[in-house]
Amino acid sequence: AQTVTQSQPEMSVQEAETVTLSCTYDTSESDYYLFWYKQPPSRQMILVIRQEAYKQQNATENRFSVNFQKAAKSFSLKISDSQLGDAAMYFCAYRQNYGGATNKLIFGTGTLLAVQP
Amino acid sequence: GAVVSQHPSRVICKSGTSVKIECRSLDFQATTMFWYRQFPKQSLMLMATSNEGSKATYEQGVEKDKFLINHASLTLSTLTVTSAHPEDSSFYICSARQGSYNEQFFGPGTRLTVL
Repeated sequence: AQTVTQSQPEMSVQEAETVTLSCTYDTSESDYYLFWYKQPPSRQMILVIRQEAYKQQNATENRFSVNFQKAAKSFSLKISDSQLGDAAMYFCAYRQNYGGATNKLIFGTGTLLAVQP
Repeated sequence: GAVVSQHPSRVICKSGTSVKIECRSLDFQATTMFWYRQFPKQSLMLMATSNEGSKATYEQGVEKDKFLINHASLTLSTLTVTSAHPEDSSFYICSARQGSYNEQFFGPGTRLTVL
């Protein structure tokens, strides 16, 4: 069974600095997606970034980028120029790319990010 | 992105009563909807997956007779917590997806408190 591990329950970063959140996963599949979701205090889940496993190029979205190491099964999120609004719980998630309607997101345990002014 | 709504956002009920939570996809047809439960400072726990017009598929350990899920249309799924007890108090989140491989969009969640 696939698993997603986030080993950092809490992280802290100074405003305008850079922080990296770690995520590792376990799967025997080769075709899958990886995601980072943000859950601010409002608890609305927001998709931050998505990576397709067959793409070697790391995904980027403005200040957010990932370091995808497929062989190592690692998928870290880098937040550059951190802003107060980045403070949230961040979840790493995996989804296989087959199985039709039954495929589902598998979430890690989350990393709570605090941004210090 | 697409919008998913949930109603109500908060509900307080007495022990032994039933509570219904609605999840709607406002601008797309949701062929698949998911229901999650989340405890404070914890991850999302998938309770069940429902496809329009079919019976929901429940995750192991989730009581299907207690958490009734109906996905009667392509824009609406409901979760009914039957005979609620204080231990059912939690934050319930739905998400919806069009097709099997598209992005999932999340609702804002419903906080259930059972007294």
